[in-house]
Order: sequence, then C-alpha cells, then structure tokens
Amino acid sequence: KNQVEQSPQSLIILEGKNCTLQCNYTVSPFSNLRWYKQDTGRGPVSLTIMTFSENTKSNGRYTATLDADTKQSSLHITASQLSDSASYICVVSAVVSDYKLSFGAGTTVTVRA
Amino acid sequence: GAVVSQHPSWVICKSGTSVKIECRSLDFQATTMFWYRQFPKQSLMLMATSNEGSKATYEQGVEKDKFLINHASLTLSTLTVTSAHPEDSSFYICSARVNRATDTQYFGPGTRLTVL
Repeated sequence: KNQVEQSPQSLIILEGKNCTLQCNYTVSPFSNLRWYKQDTGRGPVSLTIMTFSENTKSNGRYTATLDADTKQSSLHITASQLSDSASYICVVSAVVSDYKLSFGAGTTVTVRA
Repeated sequence: GAVVSQHPSWVICKSGTSVKIECRSLDFQATTMFWYRQFPKQSLMLMATSNEGSKATYEQGVEKDKFLINHASLTLSTLTVTSAHPEDSSFYICSARVNRATDTQYFGPGTRLTVL
C-alpha cells in the first residue's frame, strides 16, 4: 500500500526561528511530490512541486528538498512568521492511470510571538 | 487562475436531513473533480472521483447512496449528504483537475458540515 509518513506530528516554534518538516514515502512508481499549506478551516494551497529529477525547490521562505533514492523529502521554513501557523501536508503522486494522490497526515506548525 | 470555490462554506443541519455542497471551477473547465473528507487532526481522505457526464467512482467504504455526487457540467460538481447523521459531521473539500493527462488538482476552500 502506498504510504506517506510525516514527522513530527506537530511542533511549536518562536517567531523568527527556522524549522524543518520531514516526509517519507513508499509511493511507487513515483511521479511527483508536493507540499501544501492548509490553514485551519481552509482548503490546501500548493507551496512546491518536485519531480524525480529535482532536488530542491523554493517558494519564498519555504524550501523543499527531495531525495528520490531514499524516498525522503523535507520542507524548511526560514524566519518563521505568525502567519506560518498551519498544517503542512506532503502529497505524493503515483504514475498510474488516474494519478491517485497519497496524502500524509500533516505536520501542525504553531508559531508563537 | 485555477480557482475552485465551494458553497456553502459551512452548514449546520438537523439529523435526518439532506445537505448539498457545490464545487465550482471558476476559471477553467474540469473534466474530473474529487471529493475529500477530513476529520480533525487527520489528513484528507478521498471519498470519490467524479468525471463529467459519468457516474462517480467511490472509494472503498464510502456509501454511494448516502453521498450522492453529480458532475453535470465541466465547472460544477455537487455532493449531497443524504439523511445526515452526527457522524457525518466533517470538513468536506473538493478539488478539480483539468484532464487525466495531469495530476494537478486545485483544491476548494472546504465546507464545514455540522449535523446536530
């Protein structure tokens, strides 16, 4: 069964600090990996997308990395802001006939002043 | 571009009633729309895949007679929760995809359903 595991489940950081979220997956055959930000009570919003050949992708203060060999990805948040408080979801797409997405459970980030 | 809307954003209903949730792609045509359910502190769980003009494909464990899905046009899909019960209370999110050649899904803002 294709799975996406995220860690930690939640974390609290002080405003201005950095943090890194982890994502391990077993989805195969791999198509791409996305990181989404989901604010409470809202739908997910895409942050980054990486294919097999991409190792890193940045979107402002968000930087995602991908190691397709070890099937690991990380999302690094630099100089966190209060507005970064949200759930961050790792989503992996498999190369199948209908491109099913596999969702991680998410990491809840709380940024405190 | 690629905006997906949902209506209503939240709804409260009595047990036994039916609730309809709309999902619209505002600036593109979506041959496929997906319906997800999300319980607190859990990730999105795919309920069904809806292709325009055809019957929806439901995931295992999802009752098709309880969660009626209609995808009558390329910009609108509806999810009707029939005879809702408190355990149906959840956050329902739809997404839309342009065609089967891409896996990019654009998510709606979600609908919070509370069944009393």
